[in-house]
Amino acid sequence: ETGVTQTPRHLVMGMTNKKSLKCEQHLGHNAMYWYKQSAKKPLELMFVYSLEERVENNSVPSRFSPECPNSSHLFLHLHTLQPEDSALYLCASSQDAHEQFFGPGTRLTVL
Amino acid sequence: AQSVTQLDSHVSVSEGTPVLLRCNYSSSYSPSLFWYVQHPNKGLQLLLKYTSAATLVKGINGFEAEFKKSETSFHLTKPSAHMSDAAEYFCVVLYNTDKLIFGTGTRLQVFP
Repeated sequence: ETGVTQTPRHLVMGMTNKKSLKCEQHLGHNAMYWYKQSAKKPLELMFVYSLEERVENNSVPSRFSPECPNSSHLFLHLHTLQPEDSALYLCASSQDAHEQFFGPGTRLTVL
Repeated sequence: AQSVTQLDSHVSVSEGTPVLLRCNYSSSYSPSLFWYVQHPNKGLQLLLKYTSAATLVKGINGFEAEFKKSETSFHLTKPSAHMSDAAEYFCVVLYNTDKLIFGTGTRLQVFP
């Protein structure tokens, strides 16, 4: 497996469910990111991890909880989401300040 | 503060004709600029990047972009559009060494 992979590719959940999104990078990078892509809105940076430490949290609601157990894996834990959280969630990785490589995304629908 | 403005939300061209996707940036210092492409149901793929070397940057799939400081522009061009170029294109500026700021995107349609 090469590049950045994300699972699942599609997820439908109710507002009371708890689920997790997974991202894995096979590029040896030292930084990982979560983005939210909603229709007709610019891509929004949610979280940044550098060397496995969270360095950025752009005022994301606490119902989104990231976890970075090592430099290759990044999770986004979801609980009690709202319908407006339905979006494409993209993971990316980079080495230092160079360009970011993106995964294919998880299409999330909250009912 | 850094920002990017993509001047067209939609661009339509015929196959074989030139493509021009416009982007203006705002940056308080010499920026790093990127163009990413997103095909339907796919993640973002880097097309090309400018990092203060040559002002004319060549990317993948025949795309190129020219950095013009006097116009604060970084327009994306391709001499001849192909059907497979139909996608959403994002102009991006790098902020504070590790944060990307995305434009709102331009949807490119290519007609046969």
